[in-house]
This record gives sequence, C-alpha cells and structure tokens, in this order.
Amino acid sequence: GAVVSQHPSWVICKSGTSVKIECRSLDFQATTMFWYRQFPKQSLMLMATSNEGSKATYEQGVEKDKFLINHASLTLSTLTVTSAHPEDSSFYICSAWDINTGELFFGEGSRLTVL
Amino acid sequence: AQSVAQPEDQVNVAEGNPLTVKCTYSVSGNPYLFWYVQYPNRGLQFLLKYITGDNLVKGSYGFEAEFNKSQTSFHLKKPSALVSDSALYFCAVRDWANNLFFGTGTRLTVIP
Repeated sequence: GAVVSQHPSWVICKSGTSVKIECRSLDFQATTMFWYRQFPKQSLMLMATSNEGSKATYEQGVEKDKFLINHASLTLSTLTVTSAHPEDSSFYICSAWDINTGELFFGEGSRLTVL
Repeated sequence: AQSVAQPEDQVNVAEGNPLTVKCTYSVSGNPYLFWYVQYPNRGLQFLLKYITGDNLVKGSYGFEAEFNKSQTSFHLKKPSALVSDSALYFCAVRDWANNLFFGTGTRLTVIP
C-alpha cells in the first residue's frame, strides 16, 4: 500500500533554533498534503494544507511565519518550525492524498521537543 | 460546518468481549466518514471508511462500523476485543475540500 514517510521521527532542539520536518509520499504523487499538530491527550489540529507549486493554506490561528510550509514537488512537503520555543513542542503529523485512489495516508509523525 | 463527536474519552473492555466506540457526526450533504487508529507516538492508521453503499462497513483488523443516517452515527465495533487493540481511536468526517475533521479521540483499553 501507499506509504507516507516523515523525517525525523524525533527531534530535540534548543530554543531559538529552526527545525525542518519532511513529509514524503513514497510510491504515489500527492498534489495536496496536510500538516497536523497533536497535543498530549488531544485530537489532531489541522495546521495547514500544502499544495504543490503554490502557497500553503493556513488554518485560522496558525502563524504562517512561524510554521513555514513548502511543497516543492509532488512527493515532498516540508514544515519548518522557525525560532522554536518550548511551547512549540508537540507531535506533528503529515498526510497526503493519493490522487489516483483518493485515499489519504498518514505519516508516522514527528515529535519535536524544544528545550 | 462539518463536525464529529466522540462522547467517550475512555472505553475499557475485557479481552474477548465485544467493543463499541461511539461517533456521531454533523455534516451538510452526503457524509464521508472514517475511522483511524493511533498507537503511542505513531501516525494514524486507516481502519475503514463509509462513502456510500452498505451501512455496515468492514475494515482492518476485524473492525467494522455501522452507518446510521437517522441517528447520524458511525460507531466502531469489533465482536471480540484483543489486548493489542488497545490504542487511541479517531472518527473523522471529510468535507467538500477533502479536509478531514477529527473527533477528540477515544482511548480503548482492553483488559486481559
């Protein structure tokens, strides 16, 4: 089946640094990818919709300059947490639409810890 | 606006017993409904979906869900629970723009 890969799965960084998380669709093309944030014991919050070759669409309350999203190819979207702070510590999950099957596949998630 | 409600934060069931995880939805138009499972520190895994057709949908790992239009429900069920079924379960509804909206999740604990 289709696979979505996220990297890194774990990252620890110092406050003030930037962290990039990659989301790749391994065996299908994804014109649209989604980024979610999950707080402990809470549901997934949609952060933004990433469209290949165009700007991402951010959900209300999500800082565009804080969470930079780039969807440069049909198989790769990146989320960069800029000038990370401890409150940005969270579990980030991406998902990607397989345009051929209409199925949505999720990555394994990336846990960010900002010290 | 689309929304999903999972009224139970926690469901405990003895191994071998049937389990039900509840979900109700609110949607304009035809509902596209999904169930996902999440294991600790992992992404979501697709279990099953309802788009159209039979109200009883069968999915992965022996799970099934029953779509009930009159009650706007899509409860997840399994005839005989396994300890390995212990996880966090999310119900979701898809809107016209292909965005998924998730419920708050239900933590299932299967007791040996």
